[in-house]
Parts: sequence; structure tokens; C-alpha cells
Amino acid sequence: DVVMTQSPLSLPVTLGQPASISCRSSQSLVYRDGNTYLSWYRQRPGQSPRRLIYKVSNRDSGVPDRFSGSGSGTDFTLKISRVEADDVGIYYCMQGSHRPPWTFGQGTKVEIK
Amino acid sequence: EVQLVESGGDLVQPGGSLKLSCAASGFTFSSFWMTWVRQTPGKGLEWVANIKEDGTDKYYVDSAKGRFTISRDNAKNSLYLQMNSLRAEDTAVYHCARGVGIDIWGPGTMVTVSS
Repeated sequence: DVVMTQSPLSLPVTLGQPASISCRSSQSLVYRDGNTYLSWYRQRPGQSPRRLIYKVSNRDSGVPDRFSGSGSGTDFTLKISRVEADDVGIYYCMQGSHRPPWTFGQGTKVEIK
Repeated sequence: EVQLVESGGDLVQPGGSLKLSCAASGFTFSSFWMTWVRQTPGKGLEWVANIKEDGTDKYYVDSAKGRFTISRDNAKNSLYLQMNSLRAEDTAVYHCARGVGIDIWGPGTMVTVSS
């Protein structure tokens, strides 16, 4: 199974400042069709996860352009250009290139300093 | 509005059975793979199973093989998860989710396996 490793696991951030979360996979996530199935989710307290980014860098509908995804192969990053109070929560990466199983990272808790 | 609502979670004894349901609305259910994901405080998010649009292909996490069965009824826009031989480690919130891309999640239903 592909292991997804996120860092840091806790990320205190200052409002208005940028934030970055890393996600590394134990194998390259390039699928046989040439796509890379790496997604990012945010889970706010008391809510279910919401997908923010799919296929590395594509924002889902309604996701602010403050959020961006990048990376390739085994190394991926989610960036928030300017953190807002609504951004607090736990962020997860997930791979769907080597399936089954689909696998998630451990989660990164983003909180305001 | 796209919506997924799970039901059927309960407290069950080890070795017992439970069937979870997920009611889908706001999209063409029969056009999407559907997925179950569970969440625990200790293990985070874990993909459990998914099923093809027409129900012909199904995949399971190793720990669920032989114990869980995923199914769907496209006429009723419903997804199911039959769970047998339940163990303490199956205790989790079970989310129904849309697609292999897992883009939409339901709020989840709590399953507690304990004596």
C-alpha cells in the first residue's frame, strides 16, 4: 500500500500570513493514464471533509484561489497564500493512483496563533 | 444541492452485524462510483470500500474483506454497507462519499463496537 506522510502535523499560523503543508508518498503517484491522483481535503471542526484540490493542482468549485496545490512524483504541497480564520481545521492529502486501497495522510492541524 | 446522508450506525457487540445506508440526492447517483470511508481519532481517515456505477466491481480494504459487503440500489439512490463479524477496531464514524475521486462526503454515522 502507498503510505502518505504529511508534515508538519501541527501548524500554528498567523492571520494574513502564508502557510504550507507537505505530503510525500512512498511511491510515485503518476498513474498509467499520465494523471497524478493526489487530492487535498480540509475538515473543519464538527464537519465532514471537503475536497479542495484534485489531481495535484485543480481547485474544486468554490475554493478560493488562496489555495493552491503543486508537486509531482512523490512530493506534493498545499499552500494557503494568506490564512483566514475560516481556514482552521485538519488538512489531509489522499492518493488514488495506486488503488486499491486509496490512502490518506495522517492530517495536519492548522490553527491560528 | 448534492447531498449524502448516512444512517444505521449503532452500538453493537463484538461479533455482531450492522447495515449502514446512505441516501443520495442532487445528482445522478447511477453515474458515479460510490465509496465508504471511516474516521477514528486514532487512525484518521481510512478508505473502506467502493462500488462501480452498476455494482459490478467492488473493492475493499484488506481488514474488511470477507466481513463487509458494499452494495447499491440505483432505483432508490442508495448505498449500503453490510458489516458482519464486527471488531472493536471497526469503531469509527462511517462516511458515505461520491466517486473514486471522493469529492462529496456525508456527515457520517457512528458505529461503536463494544461489549
